[in-house]
Amino acid sequence: DQQVKQNSPSLSVQEGRISILNCDYTNSMFDYFLWYKKYPAEGPTFLISISSIKDKNEDGRFTVFLNKSAKHLSLHIVPSQPGDSAVYFCAASAHNNDMRFGAGTRLTVKP
Amino acid sequence: DTGVSQNPRHKITKRGQNVTFRCDPISEHNRLYWYRQTLGQGPEFLTYFQNEAQLEKSRLLSDRFSAERPKGSFSTLEIQRTEQGDSAMYLCASSLGDDEKLFFGSGTQLSVL
Repeated sequence: DQQVKQNSPSLSVQEGRISILNCDYTNSMFDYFLWYKKYPAEGPTFLISISSIKDKNEDGRFTVFLNKSAKHLSLHIVPSQPGDSAVYFCAASAHNNDMRFGAGTRLTVKP
Repeated sequence: DTGVSQNPRHKITKRGQNVTFRCDPISEHNRLYWYRQTLGQGPEFLTYFQNEAQLEKSRLLSDRFSAERPKGSFSTLEIQRTEQGDSAMYLCASSLGDDEKLFFGSGTQLSVL
């Protein structure tokens, strides 16, 4: 059962523009959400997170938005840079239990 | 390097052989997780330890899989009688206390021929 879904396998944007990556979830018990970035031959690295008590969290160029009623979250990267090119995974957990990951979105930022 | 370390990075084995992977977490982290990732998918949870206690196991973890963390530090994941379907990237991650941020190793890529 795929409780965390990333429906776009890939996204291509121009350098300097905004990248928007989307994620949907089905389990209403999830209370913590994270985004991880993965480069080839490396493990995922933590990028940004948000608790279910918030609807927005910002860290530099990265902002995560949470819409609990729609069970949807998104990651905005602005401005996008070529070094942001990677696979981005959305993840969610319920009460500090095992974390569920989406299938990932491959972001390509073109110079 | 004080990150999560996994060995070996790559493992090629024949079907039916046993394999064992090792994970060294970040030293002060008390939680340790094993995940499996196949091509085009996100990491799938297998099991996790809090200190030396194995607290949760996924139903994905068949009886051919066993994980240990004997002293609450490093962990091993053993797969017995490997099958071609076991071919995947096996990722280890660790975290501290109630912090839900996981720190991942670079993984062990298993190929079962």
